[in-house]
Amino acid sequence: GENVEQHPSTLSVQEGDSAVIKCTYSDSASNYFPWYKQELGKRPQLIIDIRSNVGEKKDQRIAVTLNKTAKHFSLHITETQPEDSAVYFCAASNPGSGYSTLTFGKGTMLLVSP
Amino acid sequence: EAGVVQSPRYKIIEKKQPVAFWCNPISGHNTLYWYLQNLGQGPELLIRYENEEAVDDSQLPKDRFSAERLKGVDSTLKIQPAELGDSAVYLCASSLDIHNEQFFGPGTRLTVL
Repeated sequence: GENVEQHPSTLSVQEGDSAVIKCTYSDSASNYFPWYKQELGKRPQLIIDIRSNVGEKKDQRIAVTLNKTAKHFSLHITETQPEDSAVYFCAASNPGSGYSTLTFGKGTMLLVSP
Repeated sequence: EAGVVQSPRYKIIEKKQPVAFWCNPISGHNTLYWYLQNLGQGPELLIRYENEEAVDDSQLPKDRFSAERLKGVDSTLKIQPAELGDSAVYLCASSLDIHNEQFFGPGTRLTVL
């Protein structure tokens, strides 16, 4: 089955800096890669996703890049703000199961200091 | 639109006791998922429903866990008997179908003493 590795486990930045979280996956058939943000005690919420037919996608301060050859994808947050502090999860799924069978990474705790 | 609703939000029980969690998905969502989230880990799928049919329950420990989704709307996840290692957050999610975004509920935090 799919295996998703996520790094780093903790990331501390100053407000205004950029943050990058990286994930690798094992199943070359995977073609859908969402990122979820989970604040303490709250539900995971989708913040951005990318499908394998594109290499990069941006949404304001958030961007995701995908390298299918290397089987890795990354989340980039620019101009970080204290409210960006949360745990971020990457995930991957393969077309055989639609987008339903998501395999999640272990998460990255992002701490943005004012 | 209303989000995925779960209850209870918190549950504390003693080991060997039964426990049940309830989920009401977003209206019109045919696909429903139950996930287990251990502390410091990502969610892990336990079971997926397409309407009332369980189509992926390969990760559900069937000796003690059971689930149902009668009438293809609400769902209940049950553990009987609970063990210490079952302490975790149980998340429910729903989507229009398997090709669309999953929306998560707030979860039920289970503590087994």
